[in-house]
Amino acid sequence: GESVGLHLPTLSVQEGDNSIINCAYSNSASDYFIWYKQESGKGPQFIIDIRSNMDKRQGQRVTVLLNKTVKHLSLQIAATQPGDSAVYFCAENRGSGNTPLVFGKGTRLSVIA
Amino acid sequence: DTAVSQTPKYLVTQMGNDKSIKCEQNLGHDTMYWYKQDSKKFLKIMFSYNNKELIINETVPNRFSPKSPDKAHLNLHINSLELGDSAVYFCASSQARGYTFGSGTRLTVV
Repeated sequence: GESVGLHLPTLSVQEGDNSIINCAYSNSASDYFIWYKQESGKGPQFIIDIRSNMDKRQGQRVTVLLNKTVKHLSLQIAATQPGDSAVYFCAENRGSGNTPLVFGKGTRLSVIA
Repeated sequence: DTAVSQTPKYLVTQMGNDKSIKCEQNLGHDTMYWYKQDSKKFLKIMFSYNNKELIINETVPNRFSPKSPDKAHLNLHINSLELGDSAVYFCASSQARGYTFGSGTRLTVV
């Protein structure tokens, strides 16, 4: 399943299917992007990051794709598991080491067992 | 050992009261932050401190006053609490671009 993360949508997927969570960012000067996972009652946890000189990066079961032309970021989760149920956020950083992360609006992923 | 710890985890208080939230990190990071998460889960930066010095204050009301006694601690004091202050407040620390978040303090103003 797919979502567009401009509001807080809910993406429901069957266990074992692939999930795609999308994010649009606003600042073309951003050069570093991160995906975070937030489980209920916890703080955001780092999943994967990508720098603007790349367009794809893979981790364990996760892949981040970056399209700078349209300022779009996506997170793909392979073989989605119940433990993947959470709110997912993209965040962008705008160059300077002291510039704080700017978060996008999250997407809630619900995995149906 | 918890890397970024916040206390308390829950805080319920009446309008008009003054309260504090504490944050400590044991990662040796130079920079610490406070973020506010509203009921729609939107995370917004409030303050950023680098080595005990305030570097960012994102148009937060004067009722909010951060204090950093040393680079491992960043506390948040809130005066004259209002209903709209109800939210989850997250502390974070970073070194370069790697951020670690605390587990949040849920503040409810009644």
